Amino acid sequence: EPEVTQTPSHQVTQMGQEVILRCVPISNHLYFYWYRQILGQKVEFLVSFYNNEISEKSEIFDDQFSVERPDGSNFTLKIRSTKLEDSAMYFCASSLFYEQYFGPGTRLTVT
Amino acid sequence: DQQVKQNSPSLSVQEGRISILNCDYTNSMFDYFLWYKKYPAEGPTFLISISSIKDKNEDGRFTVFLNKSAKHLSLHIVPSQPGDSAVYFCAAVGRETSGSRLTFGEGTQLTVNP
Repeated sequence: EPEVTQTPSHQVTQMGQEVILRCVPISNHLYFYWYRQILGQKVEFLVSFYNNEISEKSEIFDDQFSVERPDGSNFTLKIRSTKLEDSAMYFCASSLFYEQYFGPGTRLTVT
Repeated sequence: DQQVKQNSPSLSVQEGRISILNCDYTNSMFDYFLWYKKYPAEGPTFLISISSIKDKNEDGRFTVFLNKSAKHLSLHIVPSQPGDSAVYFCAAVGRETSGSRLTFGEGTQLTVNP
């Protein structure tokens, strides 16, 4: 069964450093998303991506964040200058319609 | 942001019995609802969904009920199995958003005891 994959599973970085989280969505899906879950809190929407451009972003997704689909398979989330409060699980998801399929997540720890 | 709320942080049931997980929403623009299951250190796994034009959808042991007038949905698992022990999230999608952002509830930890 096709699945969404994410790398790395765990990323530790120092405050102020740039990180890139990678995702390979399900191949025939058209919509791509990033969500995050801070420990003990809800899963929060960050951004959606369709037809090679951002279709929606939340208030969390400020200028420090960017997304890219550099080729036909990868979908990346870049955080330019990480802050302590960026520590969270980051989930990539993809969909054809409403049902979104999630990857296993990347645990980002900012020290 | 309290648009989707799961008021019970935890639920414990015996194997073989019914599990009922509840979810309330406030935004009347939501028109599609989904349930996800999540194990520790894994991503949410899609379980079942329902459109606002329906009041029930069934898939094997899982049934979702939607009461639009009460802005309430529930997930029934019958019979419950120990492998069902996980965190269950309800999520909603609204007509007004392109790209179909999901708005999640807080989750309910279900424990099924053998």
